[in-house]
Amino acid sequence: LAKTTQPISMDSYEGQEVNITCSHNNIATNDYITWYQQFPSQGPRFIIQGYKTKVTNEVASLFIPADRKSSTLSLPRVSLSDTAVYYCLVGDGGNTPLVFGKGTRLSVIA
Amino acid sequence: GAGVSQSPSNKVTEKGKDVELRCDPISGHTALYWYRQSLGQGLEFLIYFQGNSAPDKSGLPSDRFSAERTGGSVSTLTIQRTQQEDSAVYLCASIAVGLSNSPLHFGNGTRLTVT
Repeated sequence: LAKTTQPISMDSYEGQEVNITCSHNNIATNDYITWYQQFPSQGPRFIIQGYKTKVTNEVASLFIPADRKSSTLSLPRVSLSDTAVYYCLVGDGGNTPLVFGKGTRLSVIA
Repeated sequence: GAGVSQSPSNKVTEKGKDVELRCDPISGHTALYWYRQSLGQGLEFLIYFQGNSAPDKSGLPSDRFSAERTGGSVSTLTIQRTQQEDSAVYLCASIAVGLSNSPLHFGNGTRLTVT
């Protein structure tokens, strides 16, 4: 049973900021929150990871509230090439089964 | 550096035949995961290994599916007596255990088509 819930799909225009929220009410103390991006015919690839508060890298930001029961992936100024499926995953890397939810299909429109 | 490698990239087989799918993880990654992804669907967890042991096989769809890992490295997923519903992309991922914040590294999958 997946530990996460995300919107099935989202649409955005190019240049806008996109925020995708993931719910994980039963997150465990040792769990980290990791987001992946998947393009057609490819395996998912790592975008960003966090444990609490805010994390930022060159492609995205991740916001995690104090109770850690949700997280929000923020993509600044999206382009057409950001059209993909985004997965939120919570888990204790490699020590437990890592079960993905259904992901969010983001469509960026020109 | 080298990533996760899966072979073959594509496999077409007749219903009833057995198939073997191979995964070469990143060197030093002690945990390895198998997932199945049907067309337009999400990632379905199948099985994972810690070293050569599989603590959780609950995701395997039926007893026609089995997996093994040898030498703490290469893993093989075997599907016996394939059925058309087995058609999907089979993805493998590895992870460096011992670091709770280590992410999964995926291969590009094997696309299996059962005719």
